[in-house]
Amino acid sequence: SQQGEEDPQALSIQEGENATMNCSYKTSINNLQWYRQNSGRGLVHLILIRSNEREKHSGRLRVTLDTSKKSSSLLITASRAADTASYFCATDSSLYTGANSKLTFGKGITLSVRP
Amino acid sequence: DGGITQSPKYLFRKEGQNVTLSCEQNLNHDAMYWYRQDPGQGLRLIYYSQIVNDFQKGDIAEGYSVSREKKESFPLTVTSAQKNPTAFYLCASINGETQYFGPGTRLLVL
Repeated sequence: SQQGEEDPQALSIQEGENATMNCSYKTSINNLQWYRQNSGRGLVHLILIRSNEREKHSGRLRVTLDTSKKSSSLLITASRAADTASYFCATDSSLYTGANSKLTFGKGITLSVRP
Repeated sequence: DGGITQSPKYLFRKEGQNVTLSCEQNLNHDAMYWYRQDPGQGLRLIYYSQIVNDFQKGDIAEGYSVSREKKESFPLTVTSAQKNPTAFYLCASINGETQYFGPGTRLLVL
């Protein structure tokens, strides 16, 4: 079952602009993660935010989490053509994290950054 | 794609044939996962293994089988019972809370 739903499904922006992607989920979570996938490749972990955190930064990435609304957003600032990829949110609702974790992925957002 | 390798990159299956996808990791991770990805879709969990000689079904295990005889290896067999096997298959392992993915195998039906 897919818990995370990303919005929008596709996003096209100009290089230098900011890209905002949203994710909503349905059940309580331990953490929420964002992954990136280049076409035809495996996924790469970007950032993790725990249920007791509200905001986290990593380089040009900023992620927020609102557990009352069961939603998260990923902001990529000063986008580059190399940011063109699909972005997935994944939620971990396991009783125990770590080796017992199971992630539930959304359908993904296709981001195109025009040079 | 970290220390996880998947082979082959492309695999062709004939009607009624079983095929095995390889996944190897040198990250010393305990848990490993197999996902299926269809076009425009997210990842769906097929099987996962938290430790050697143990594995559990995921959300879409029917038509698939796995084994975990060694910590570094988690092969997936797509059996003839899987009627719609055409997809991109991704293997992952976990360190803490973060999953590390292999480059994927694309399975096509002849």
